[in-house]
Amino acid sequence: GENVEQHPSTLSVQEGDSAVIKCTYSDSASNYFPWYKQELGKGPQLIIDIRSNVGEKKDQRIAVTLNKTAKHFSLHITETQPEDSAVYFCAASIHGNQFYFGTGTSLTVIP
Amino acid sequence: ETGVTQTPRHLVMGMTNKKSLKCEQHLGHNAMYWYKQSAKKPLELMFVYSLEERVENNSVPSRFSPECPNSSHLFLHLHTLQPEDSALYLCASSQELRAEAFFGQGTRLTVV
Repeated sequence: GENVEQHPSTLSVQEGDSAVIKCTYSDSASNYFPWYKQELGKGPQLIIDIRSNVGEKKDQRIAVTLNKTAKHFSLHITETQPEDSAVYFCAASIHGNQFYFGTGTSLTVIP
Repeated sequence: ETGVTQTPRHLVMGMTNKKSLKCEQHLGHNAMYWYKQSAKKPLELMFVYSLEERVENNSVPSRFSPECPNSSHLFLHLHTLQPEDSALYLCASSQELRAEAFFGQGTRLTVV
């Protein structure tokens, strides 16, 4: 089955700096990669996703890159703000009917 | 508000109790899921329902029993749980099986 690894497990950045979270996956058949943000006391919320037919996707301060050859994908948050503080999860999906999640990255943005 | 509502938000139960978790989605989705979230572990998929039919059961112990009476509601019936079952239980839904999932806020379960 698919195995998703996520790093780092914790990340602290100064407000205004960039944050990068990286994930690797094992099954080359995975073709959909969502990122979720989980704030304290809430369930994960989809913030951005990418499919295997594109290499990069951007939505305002958030971007995701995908390297299919190396089987890794990354979340980039620029100009971080305190409200970006949360746990972020990556996931990989094979054909969309099951999601394999990383272990999460706890991001703290220091004002 | 995500469109996926879970109740209760918190639950404390003894090992001999029977309780149920409820999930309701207001998004018109056809697929619903139960996940278990334990500290420092990946989200674990427990059950998948599509059009009220269970399509996946990931080797979950029988003390967890799902029920999907219609496409908007999903239950997780719990009985004789163990302390290691304490976790956040998340419900999710998607338009169909091959689509992104929207999560509820979860039920924080503590087994004492």
